[in-house]
Amino acid sequence: DAGVTQSPTHLIKTRGQQVTLRCSPKSGHDTVSWYQQALGQGPQFIFQYYEEEERQRGNFPDRFSGHQFPNYSSELNVNALLLGDSALYLCASSFSGRYQETQYFGPGTRLLVL
Amino acid sequence: GNSVTQMEGPVTLSEEAFLTINCTYTATGYPSLFWYVQYPGEGLQLLLKATKADDKGSNKGFEATYRKETTSFHLEKGSVQVSDSAVYFCALSTPRNFNKFYFGSGTKLNVKP
Repeated sequence: DAGVTQSPTHLIKTRGQQVTLRCSPKSGHDTVSWYQQALGQGPQFIFQYYEEEERQRGNFPDRFSGHQFPNYSSELNVNALLLGDSALYLCASSFSGRYQETQYFGPGTRLLVL
Repeated sequence: GNSVTQMEGPVTLSEEAFLTINCTYTATGYPSLFWYVQYPGEGLQLLLKATKADDKGSNKGFEATYRKETTSFHLEKGSVQVSDSAVYFCALSTPRNFNKFYFGSGTKLNVKP
C-alpha cells in the first residue's frame, strides 16, 4: 500500500516565478491538506481539498492556490514567488468518512527561492 | 482559537535516560491530540494519538495521556535510544475545522551514546 507521495522532492526557483507541487494521497483517502513548514518551525496549514473543492483555507495570500483532481490527487500552485516562500511543503491525506481522522504526511517538497 | 505550545529545545539526553516533552493546548470543542516525529530530511510520521480525555496513546515505547483538566498531552519514554534523535511535534485537530491540524513549533531531541 503506497503512502502519500509528493513530487518533486527538491526545487529551486527565482523570485517572481511560479511553481507547481504535486501530491498523490494514500490509497482510500479522499481529502488532501497542504502545509508549509519553514526552517525550524512547525507546519502551517495552507488549505484543504475535498470533492475537488477548497474546503478550508489558512492565513495564506491568494498567490497560493490549489486543485484536486477526480482521482483525489492534488496540486499546490504558488505565483510570484518571494524569498519567504522558501520552505518544506507537506501534503497530508485523510479519509473524510471517519471521525477524528488521522492525517498521513508525504515526504515533502523542499522549495528554495533565490 | 486553537493552538499548541511545546517546550523549547533542544533537549539533550544520554542513552537510556527518561524523556518528557511537554505539550499544552487551547481548543474549542473536543480535539484529538497527536504526536508526530520528523527525522532529518523527511516528512512527518505519526507517533501516537488520543481522541478523548484520559485516553493514553502509545507506540514504540512512547506514551502520552490526554489530560483535559490540565489541557496537556506530554510525551514520555522510559529509556531513549540514539535512534530516537529527531524533532517531535505535538498537534491537535477538531471536527469543527474538518480535522485541520494545528502544530506546535517542535522540540528537537538529541540522544548521545
